[in-house]
Amino acid sequence: GENVEQHPSTLSVQEGDSAVIKCTYSDSASNYFPWYKQELGKRPQLIIDIRSNVGEKKDQRIAVTLNKTAKHFSLHITETQPEDSAVYFCAAREKEYGNKLVFGAGTILRVKS
Amino acid sequence: KAGVTQTPRYLIKTRGQQVTLSCSPISGHRSVSWYQQTPGQGLQFLFEYFSETQRNKGNFPGRFSGRQFSNSRSEMNVSTLELGDSALYLCASSFSTGGETQYFGPGTRLLVL
Repeated sequence: GENVEQHPSTLSVQEGDSAVIKCTYSDSASNYFPWYKQELGKRPQLIIDIRSNVGEKKDQRIAVTLNKTAKHFSLHITETQPEDSAVYFCAAREKEYGNKLVFGAGTILRVKS
Repeated sequence: KAGVTQTPRYLIKTRGQQVTLSCSPISGHRSVSWYQQTPGQGLQFLFEYFSETQRNKGNFPGRFSGRQFSNSRSEMNVSTLELGDSALYLCASSFSTGGETQYFGPGTRLLVL
């Protein structure tokens, strides 16, 4: 089945700097890649997603890029703020074994002010 | 629209007991997926229900089961609880099946003593 690897597991940045989180997937048929943000004690919130027919998508300070050939996708956060501190999860929709979302292990992002 | 709701929010059980968790999806959403979240294993897919039918199943033992009602509300049952079942159980709803855009509930935190 699908395997999603996420790096780094923890990331500390200074306020105002950029943060990049990378994920790789194994199922070349995967076609949907969402990113979720989970603050401490709260539910995962969808922050951005991308489909395989698009290479890049932006929403204000957040962007996601997809490289289908290399089977990896990345989350970019610019001008980071303390409220960006959270755990971020990437996911890929597995096509081969039933169309379900497979999540990466998560990245703890700490933005230092 | 009201978001995804889950009840109860917290639960303490002892080994050998069984537990039933409930999830009410966003109005109009017909798919409900269940996940187990633990610090060591991240978000693990349990199963998905769509139109009262189980569409996908993860790699969990048969002690974990679920069902969906005609109003799309879903329940998850865990029988013969083990210490390792202690986790945050999240449900997510989506308009259609197959890993489409999912919105998470706040979760039920289960502690097995």
